[in-house]
Amino acid sequence: EDKVVQSPLSLVVHEGDTVTLNCSYEVTNFRSLLWYKQEKKAPTFLFMLTSSGIEKKSGRLSSILDKKELFSILNITATQTGDSAVYLCAVDPHLFSGSARQLTFGSGTQLTVLP
Amino acid sequence: DTAVSQTPKYLVTQMGNDKSIKCEQNLGHDTMYWYKQDSKKFLKIMFSYNNKELIINETVPNRFSPKSPDKAHLNLHINSLELGDSAVYFCASSPDPTGDQPQHFGDGTRLSIL
Repeated sequence: EDKVVQSPLSLVVHEGDTVTLNCSYEVTNFRSLLWYKQEKKAPTFLFMLTSSGIEKKSGRLSSILDKKELFSILNITATQTGDSAVYLCAVDPHLFSGSARQLTFGSGTQLTVLP
Repeated sequence: DTAVSQTPKYLVTQMGNDKSIKCEQNLGHDTMYWYKQDSKKFLKIMFSYNNKELIINETVPNRFSPKSPDKAHLNLHINSLELGDSAVYFCASSPDPTGDQPQHFGDGTRLSIL
């Protein structure tokens, strides 16, 4: 069974700090790894990673994938209170040619940024 | 102009009742999904429809029946509600089931069973 483990489960930092969120996975055939940010409602898409070692960046957020060691990290620099949310990692396995996306989510990391 | 919208946002009902949650997307996507998020925040896929046809049906009780009248709508009907059905149900959509585009989620429907 596919498995996604995120750490830490929760994190409390002060504004301006840099945080690193971890996601490790076990999947039979890997297609992609996705990061989502969930505030009070809908998870919103952050990054999709398919290749090892290529950093994806969006503002203060960046993410990288290591397919050999089966993990990904999400970095947030100069954190702001608006970054407070649950960050979800999901893995999309490649089941067979043309197979439908079937994401397996981790339990998330609850990030709280204090002023 | 909400992309993926679900109704209702909150649903409080008693055990044994039958209820429906509706989902609509205006993104022109072909594929829609239902997820269940439990109290520990795990999001688990329940169903996926592509162009009105069921393509993923995870191990969920057959009390849950999805219906897709057209590719912009995917409704979820639940019969004989049980306490364990209490969760947040998210609808999502993507352009196609296998492509490289991420899923877009609705705001969720919080279902509470008394």
